[in-house]
Amino acid sequence: AQSVTQLDSHVSVSEGTPVLLRCNYSSSYSPSLFWYVQHPNKGLQLLLKYTSAATLVKGINGFEAEFKKSETSFHLTKPSAHMSDAAEYFCVVGGLNAGNMLTFGGGTRLMVKP
Amino acid sequence: DGGITQSPKYLFRKEGQNVTLSCEQNLNHDAMYWYRQDPGQGLRLIYYSQIVNDFQKGDIAEGYSVSREKKESFPLTVTSAQKNPTAFYLCASSISAIPNQPQHFGDGTRLSIL
Repeated sequence: AQSVTQLDSHVSVSEGTPVLLRCNYSSSYSPSLFWYVQHPNKGLQLLLKYTSAATLVKGINGFEAEFKKSETSFHLTKPSAHMSDAAEYFCVVGGLNAGNMLTFGGGTRLMVKP
Repeated sequence: DGGITQSPKYLFRKEGQNVTLSCEQNLNHDAMYWYRQDPGQGLRLIYYSQIVNDFQKGDIAEGYSVSREKKESFPLTVTSAQKNPTAFYLCASSISAIPNQPQHFGDGTRLSIL
């Protein structure tokens, strides 16, 4: 069985300051990991994915995430927040099960203050 | 542009009524998925289909039904047996049902009870 825990349900930052969204996972194998972003009343957009090629993964819109096996973490970061980054972010674990089913974290709402 | 189209964007259901949510993709993906999202929560899997003419129950299939007669289409019917249908419904697809593929999402349908 696998699970994903997003450690903060809400994060608030000021525009231009760094963003850190925390994610821990539990898995009996080395999983694939994803970060998705969801703007209000929209679907989920893939930000980045880790599939064991490199531990530091760069995504779209300046986001990146680092896979740390020893800490079972996959935190999402961005050096400087923009107002347009305000959204809900989901950390997701891929499974080894047939069907490509994913396990979603509960989400972190990022608020960006001017 | 390739993508996933969900319609309608907003849908209202009367008591005792079945309603069908449409999901069409032109990505030539084999696998398709339906999720339910409740406020402040992550996504829960309703049904998925690995290939045409095949589908499997997810975690919360009770009160829902699907069909997969064409590769590009995966409609979801919310039946009167679903007692709490008010939610945001998201359709997704992936290239295949091989594990660890990213899923691509539509913009969702918001269902409400009249």
